[in-house]
Amino acid sequence: QKEVEQNSGPLSVPEGAIASLNCTYSDRGSQSFFWYRQYSGKSPELIMFIYSNGDKEDGRFTAQLNKASQYVSLLIRDSQPSDSATYLCAVPTSGGSYIPTFGRGTSLIVHP
Amino acid sequence: KAGVTQTPRYLIKTRGQQVTLSCSPISGHRSVSWYQQTPGQGLQFLFEYFSETQRNKGNFPGRFSGRQFSNSRSEMNVSTLELGDSALYLCASSLGTSGRQETQYFGPGTRLLVL
Repeated sequence: QKEVEQNSGPLSVPEGAIASLNCTYSDRGSQSFFWYRQYSGKSPELIMFIYSNGDKEDGRFTAQLNKASQYVSLLIRDSQPSDSATYLCAVPTSGGSYIPTFGRGTSLIVHP
Repeated sequence: KAGVTQTPRYLIKTRGQQVTLSCSPISGHRSVSWYQQTPGQGLQFLFEYFSETQRNKGNFPGRFSGRQFSNSRSEMNVSTLELGDSALYLCASSLGTSGRQETQYFGPGTRLLVL
């Protein structure tokens, strides 16, 4: 069973701070990783995709990948109350199907 | 480009009934995946259809079934509904040919309540 683990939170940060969300995975063959944001009552929306070791930046979002340690993280700089949502990590399985396994998500609360 | 659409958005059924949910993917996308999301289990994969064929299947009982039409629209059916089937059912659309870099785009979901 391929596992994707996330701390359920909630992670509470003040407005303007950096929010750090972590995800670990068990499938050592995994090559690509996705972060989705899901607002309460809404469907997940893709915010980041990372394929290579190291950092990938997109606006206020930075994804960090460490394949040797099997974790991927998402940093949100200058956090805003509108960033309050659940963040889902998704890892396509190796072995051909590439169907993503989703973590349970981390709830982020950004308070003014 | 229009996004993924799902109908209906809300459904209330009683135990033992069956239900059919519909999903229209993004134009040009040939893969449709279905997920069940509950507070207790998170987002769980049901099945994936690509070019009218079921390509992948999750660990759900046979009461859950689906199909895909030649225009890539997909339906999923749940027969003999149980209380535990109450969930948000999400459809995800993708090209279907990008392998591990495949990006899925989710529809708004159908919220099913079984009484």
